[in-house]
Amino acid sequence: DTGVSQDPRHKITKRGQNVTFRCDPISEHNRLYWYRQTLGQGPEFLTYFQNEAQLEKSRLLSDRFSAERPKGSFSTLEIQRTEQGDSAMYLCASSPPVSNTEAFFGQGTRLTVV
Amino acid sequence: AQSVTQLDSQVPVFEEAPVELRCNYSSSVSVYLFWYVQYPNQGLQLLLKYLSGSTLVKGINGFEAEFNKSQTSFHLRKPSVHISDTAEYFCAVSLYNQGGKLIFGQGTELSVKP
Repeated sequence: DTGVSQDPRHKITKRGQNVTFRCDPISEHNRLYWYRQTLGQGPEFLTYFQNEAQLEKSRLLSDRFSAERPKGSFSTLEIQRTEQGDSAMYLCASSPPVSNTEAFFGQGTRLTVV
Repeated sequence: AQSVTQLDSQVPVFEEAPVELRCNYSSSVSVYLFWYVQYPNQGLQLLLKYLSGSTLVKGINGFEAEFNKSQTSFHLRKPSVHISDTAEYFCAVSLYNQGGKLIFGQGTELSVKP
């Protein structure tokens, strides 16, 4: 297993465009998380899936953001009408069903909105 | 609500010196505690975790941390640092009943100088 994979690693987009990121978790990990990390800050929780069900969404996740995990495997995070404030590192993590184990993080997608 | 405070944003230290990175948390319920390390433009890698049992936890790369319930602290220590330990370090908590969602501190930048 190669770990959590995120694509793309870097994305530069113009303000107002839509972007979509993909996350492939470790196989058999039924939990998947999205976090956002801005420069000089710790990651902030965005949303969480257990299998295909989206169980929690942060208030940080405005209506321009949507996340899906249609078959309980990979997940996508879409940002519509991007704004400069969306520039950040978007991190995906996955964990197995037992709640007291750690989350395994991908290398992240760095978004720059110009 | 839960929160994590890392008391030092930057810690410069000379190679082979000891180091302590401080972390305090606030929670009205029991938590699991974690330290993650992040190298530039990379995701997060788990250093160590406290779930229960012995309050002294040993992790990878020679790091250890001690859980102090009365002081709600989880400080990270290493007796002798290397240049390769230069990175950002994040303390995090998760709640027993919240699916493994992590709440991170702001991070501490450890800079090891020769």
